Amino acid sequence: NAGVTQTPKFQVLKTGQSMTLQCAQDMNHNSMYWYRQDPGMGLRLIYYSASEGTTDKGEVPNGYNVSRLNKREFSLRLESAAPSQTSVYFCASSDSRELFFGEGSRLTVL
Amino acid sequence: AQSVTQPDIHITVSEGASLELRCNYSYGATPYLFWYVQSPGQGLQLLLKYFSGDTLVQGIKGFEAEFKRSQSSFNLRKPSVHWSDAAEYFCAVGAWGNTPLVFGKGTRLSVIA
Repeated sequence: NAGVTQTPKFQVLKTGQSMTLQCAQDMNHNSMYWYRQDPGMGLRLIYYSASEGTTDKGEVPNGYNVSRLNKREFSLRLESAAPSQTSVYFCASSDSRELFFGEGSRLTVL
Repeated sequence: AQSVTQPDIHITVSEGASLELRCNYSYGATPYLFWYVQSPGQGLQLLLKYFSGDTLVQGIKGFEAEFKRSQSSFNLRKPSVHWSDAAEYFCAVGAWGNTPLVFGKGTRLSVIA
């Protein structure tokens, strides 16, 4: 089992460029999440999807959009990247009790 | 609002010494509680979790945590720290269902010889 797979693992963008982080899980979980991690801030929720077809904002949604493409996939899009979005991004899925995390995607915006 | 407080930003302990990392939470429902560890440049590894039952839970790598409802705490302990335990530790709180986990800001552990 692959669990939760995120791509890409590393990305460098210029300010104003767009990109999409992809996330897929093979555990048949209903809920999926996107967090960002910044030094001294812990993990903060960007968006989540409780089930296929639904998405909800988290603590820090500004500058991001998400798509729950199907039950397996939950993508995060930066339409116009800003240096403040330099971070490590984690995707996770849940079996209603605990989260299962991907390995993270390190994004740098210059 | 749900919140998790890890009062210690950085702790330094000597190898072989005991360790306690503090975690306090504020959560309206019956909480599920978690501790994660993250080594530099790595992802998150689940150390242990509490859902219900025995309030003292055992985890991997010799860690344990105790849920104290009256104190809204879930402190992480280890009797004897190894140099390889140097990492950042995150406490998180959640509940059954699709409610997202709320994380503390983390405690960085340094281990000295």
